[in-house]
Amino acid sequence: GENVEQHPSTLSVQEGDSAVIKCTYSDSASNYFPWYKQELGKRPQLIIDIRSNVGEKKDQRIAVTLNKTAKHFSLHITETQPEDSAVYFCAASHSGGGADGLTFGKGTHLIIQP
Amino acid sequence: NAGVTQTPKFRVLKTGQSMTLLCAQDMNHEYMYWYRQDPGMGLRLIHYSVGEGTTAKGEVPDGYNVSRLKKQNFLLGLESAAPSQTSVYFCASSYGSGNTEAFFGQGTRLTVV
Repeated sequence: GENVEQHPSTLSVQEGDSAVIKCTYSDSASNYFPWYKQELGKRPQLIIDIRSNVGEKKDQRIAVTLNKTAKHFSLHITETQPEDSAVYFCAASHSGGGADGLTFGKGTHLIIQP
Repeated sequence: NAGVTQTPKFRVLKTGQSMTLLCAQDMNHEYMYWYRQDPGMGLRLIHYSVGEGTTAKGEVPDGYNVSRLKKQNFLLGLESAAPSQTSVYFCASSYGSGNTEAFFGQGTRLTVV
């Protein structure tokens, strides 16, 4: 099955600086890569996703890049703000016949220092 | 439009007791999932369903059973709870197969003592 590795487990940055979280996946058939943000005590919520036919996607201060050859994708947050503090999860899945859900990384706790 | 709703939000069980967690979605989604979240482990798939009347095992299915008798509901059962099942459980649903957005419920915090 799919295996997703996520680094770092904790990331502390100064407010206004950029943050980068990296993930690798093992299954070359995976073609969908979402990123979820989870605030303390809340449910995970999708912030951005990318499909394997695209190399980069941007939404305001958030961007995701995908390198299919290296099986690597990353989340980039620019001009970080206090409300960006949360745990971020990457995930991977493929649209095979089973729709067998998302395989998640173990999460990155992003801390924005004032 | 409530999205995905889980019942209950909190529960404490004694070892060996049974319980059922209910997940309901009002988005007419075909696919539904149960995950558990443990500190430092991310979210791990327990069971999933690709439509009414279907269920399948995920990564960590042992000790759990599920049923999808109605399209909008997905039930997760623990027949004989164990302390290792102490966790936060999340239900999710999605419109299509694995490459569409999954919407999560608010979670159920279960403690087995």
